[in-house]
Amino acid sequence: GNSVTQMEGPVTLSEEAFLTINCTYTATGYPSLFWYVQYPGEGLQLLLKATKADDKGSNKGFEATYRKETTSFHLEKGSVQVSDSAVYFCALTLSGGYNKLIFGAGTRLAVHP
Amino acid sequence: EAGVVQSPRYKIIEKKQPVAFWCNPISGHNTLYWYRQNLGQGPELLIRYENEEAVDDSQLPKDRFSAERLKGVDSTLKIQPAELGDSAVYLCASSLEGRQNNEQFFGPGTRLTVL
Repeated sequence: GNSVTQMEGPVTLSEEAFLTINCTYTATGYPSLFWYVQYPGEGLQLLLKATKADDKGSNKGFEATYRKETTSFHLEKGSVQVSDSAVYFCALTLSGGYNKLIFGAGTRLAVHP
Repeated sequence: EAGVVQSPRYKIIEKKQPVAFWCNPISGHNTLYWYRQNLGQGPELLIRYENEEAVDDSQLPKDRFSAERLKGVDSTLKIQPAELGDSAVYLCASSLEGRQNNEQFFGPGTRLTVL
């Protein structure tokens, strides 16, 4: 079936460290891919998205590239800040269908000074 | 512009009791979604509305869960009776339309604890 797999957390980093959160997917057709972020006490927010192969989504210093050959959409940031501490969710929607988001389990990121 | 509003933010009930959650989507958004997020997992879709019509409720446990979206605006999700396994965060989201890639905006959620 259609699914998203993320690396398990928590991920603990020092400020200014490089971040990678791995995400791979299984889906029929040509899905669109998303990263959502959930800050403590807040709702899920769209961080970035990519709708076709080789597209790169970017926002707030975060990037992810849609790799169809490896069915991956890894999230990266060159220099994390304490304010980036949150839970990050990788998700997809299926092509030809409606806007149903299928989420991974989430990865908690903790950045310390 | 106000975001998606949900209430209550927290609810603690005993098993077998009824409970209801309310959601007010972003003004003008035709599509409304209810998701359930179990601890340590990602959200899973329960039901989707296009205006006042439920167009996908395949994941809604219909023996105890019900939902409505009167007049195509606010929505209520109800559980009766609640079970221990219903403890979760219930998220409401809305989008302008239901087509793929329309951005979904999420509310803060209602955290339900069933004792």
